[in-house]
Amino acid sequence: GDSVTQMEGPVTLSEEAFLTINCTYTATGYPSLFWYVQYPGEGLQLLLKATKADDKGSNKGFEATYRKETTSFHLEKGSVQVSDSAVYFCALSGSPRGYQKVTFGIGTKLQVIP
Amino acid sequence: EAGVVQSPRYKIIEKKQPVAFWCNPISGHNTLYWYLQNLGQGPELLIRYENEEAVDDSQLPKDRFSAERLKGVDSTLKIQPAELGDSAVYLCASSLGTGGGTGELFFGEGSRLTVL
Repeated sequence: GDSVTQMEGPVTLSEEAFLTINCTYTATGYPSLFWYVQYPGEGLQLLLKATKADDKGSNKGFEATYRKETTSFHLEKGSVQVSDSAVYFCALSGSPRGYQKVTFGIGTKLQVIP
Repeated sequence: EAGVVQSPRYKIIEKKQPVAFWCNPISGHNTLYWYLQNLGQGPELLIRYENEEAVDDSQLPKDRFSAERLKGVDSTLKIQPAELGDSAVYLCASSLGTGGGTGELFFGEGSRLTVL
């Protein structure tokens, strides 16, 4: 079945540092890929997405590129802020039997210190 | 536009007691999901509805868990009786469309259950 593997946290960075959170996936067919973010005390919300190979999703300074050859979708940001402290989930959406099924990774907690 | 609304936000019960969670999805979203999130883990699908029909309930422990989505709008997830291992956050999400699509989900804030 479909699965997502992402690096375990927590990740602690100083403000303005470069961020990479690794994510690889296993899926049949051509899934859509997502990064969701969960800020403290809030529900998950979509951060960015890519629906086909070589697409780059971007939002709020975060980027991720859909790499089919390496089955990866790593999240990057050039300069993190304290407000980026949250848990980040990589996810994929396959379409077995025509249904949407979204599979999540375990989440990576990011803490940014001033 | 109102988001996905869940209640209660927090619930503490003793083991063997029943508990129910309620979800109101975003208006017009015909797909509704219940996810289980254990501490330090990602969400795991319990059940997905397309309108009133439960199209994927393969991960729902049917001996103690039940769910319904009457009229294809609000949904209720019930646990009876609750066990210590059921302590977790129960997430409701909704989305547009059926099949294929982009898979973007809209989540509620979750219902945190503590079983003593």
